[in-house]
Amino acid sequence: ETGVTQTPRHLVMGMTNKKSLKCEQHLGHNAMYWYKQSAKKPLELMFVYNFKEQTENNSVPSRFSPECPNSSHLFLHLHTLQPEDSALYLCASSLNLGGLSYNEQFFGPGTRLTVL
Amino acid sequence: GESVGLHLPTLSVQEGDNSIINCAYSNSASDYFIWYKQESGKGPQFIIDIRSNMDKRQGQRVTVLLNKTVKHLSLQIAATQPGDSAVYFCAENKSGYSTLTFGKGTMLLVSP
Repeated sequence: ETGVTQTPRHLVMGMTNKKSLKCEQHLGHNAMYWYKQSAKKPLELMFVYNFKEQTENNSVPSRFSPECPNSSHLFLHLHTLQPEDSALYLCASSLNLGGLSYNEQFFGPGTRLTVL
Repeated sequence: GESVGLHLPTLSVQEGDNSIINCAYSNSASDYFIWYKQESGKGPQFIIDIRSNMDKRQGQRVTVLLNKTVKHLSLQIAATQPGDSAVYFCAENKSGYSTLTFGKGTMLLVSP
């Protein structure tokens, strides 16, 4: 089991619902990530947070709203999603020291999201 | 590069065989590479990494080879077991940058 946990593991929601995905890392890392994994696509990076500051938003629609209250917790708030948003949403964390540091990311188990 | 609507390459082997999974990376400035294993219903798990100052690194039953000239990475699994069945991803990174770029993945199927 990794030091990155995600809840819920499965989520079914309607297009008008509002829900949130939660990620927590217990590894003392300072960077956290949201990825989307669809059945027929490579892993897609959505958001990156370094030291609680969002440093990357990969052209993600505004119906996905991330929140990083501290370096251990990361949320993904969802509202008015579309059926094509159904996917596995993965959270990851890493220790980013800048400079010449190398960035091994540790992944959580993911949340399987189905939008009806 | 980007790919849309891909079919996952699949490697089928018999238990006990050696497996070789290949990956081509795109950024010549990348200097750190990782192989991840993803089993069904789970998130990717770290297997082994290699830095660009090396061309080979060995772990337990796994070896990663790096050819920077042709931007090619391979993962060798010795004496493959049914528990090795999973999707394997390579990822590249440039030191100092937090972003990993993932490959498309290869599905390994091991028959008993």
